Amino acid sequence: ETGVTQSPTHLIKTRGQQVTLRCSSQSGHNTVSWYQQALGQGPQFIFQYYREEENGRGNFPPRFSGLQFPNYSSELNVNALELDDSALYLCASSSGQGAIYNSPLHFGNGTRLTVT
Amino acid sequence: AQSVTQLDSQVPVFEEAPVELRCNYSSSVSVYLFWYVQYPNQGLQLLLKYLSGSTLVESINGFEAEFNKSQTSFHLRKPSVHISDTAEYFCAVSDRAAGNKLTFGGGTRVLVKP
Repeated sequence: ETGVTQSPTHLIKTRGQQVTLRCSSQSGHNTVSWYQQALGQGPQFIFQYYREEENGRGNFPPRFSGLQFPNYSSELNVNALELDDSALYLCASSSGQGAIYNSPLHFGNGTRLTVT
Repeated sequence: AQSVTQLDSQVPVFEEAPVELRCNYSSSVSVYLFWYVQYPNQGLQLLLKYLSGSTLVESINGFEAEFNKSQTSFHLRKPSVHISDTAEYFCAVSDRAAGNKLTFGGGTRVLVKP
């Protein structure tokens, strides 16, 4: 069973640039969620994708956007990067739209983004 | 909206001593509660979960947590810690309306000393 994989592991960008982070879901999982974990804090929900459509969004501005592909892999795009976007970005996959009670989230190791 | 409070940001503990990590959540009609562990430079791993039924839940590596509805708490305990338990621990909550969305606490860093 292949777990959740994220790429790249580390990334350095300049303020104002755009970034794309990638995630491959665990085999058999059709739901992908993205979380932002700032240094010293708990993860915060960005959004979730189920069957290629956004299915829930946290308190993040529109410059945070995403995609889910037919193979259930996913991308997180952030435009007009700000210094406060520096964080660990975590992808998590699960099975089913609201099946958290039957299929808890499985997290990848994250992408650490540094904005200078 | 749900919220989760982890009262201790850091807990130093000696090897083989017991540890308790406190977690309180805002009230909801029906909640699902989780503890995740994060080792350095890694993602989150599910430690244990409460969905329904018995209020005491256990993990395979000796941790246990008790759901207390009246106190809206889900404290995590281990009677005897190992050096390998050094990590950050996150309490998280969800409810039926939130689907797969988790609301996390700020985390508790456990440092096990020899």
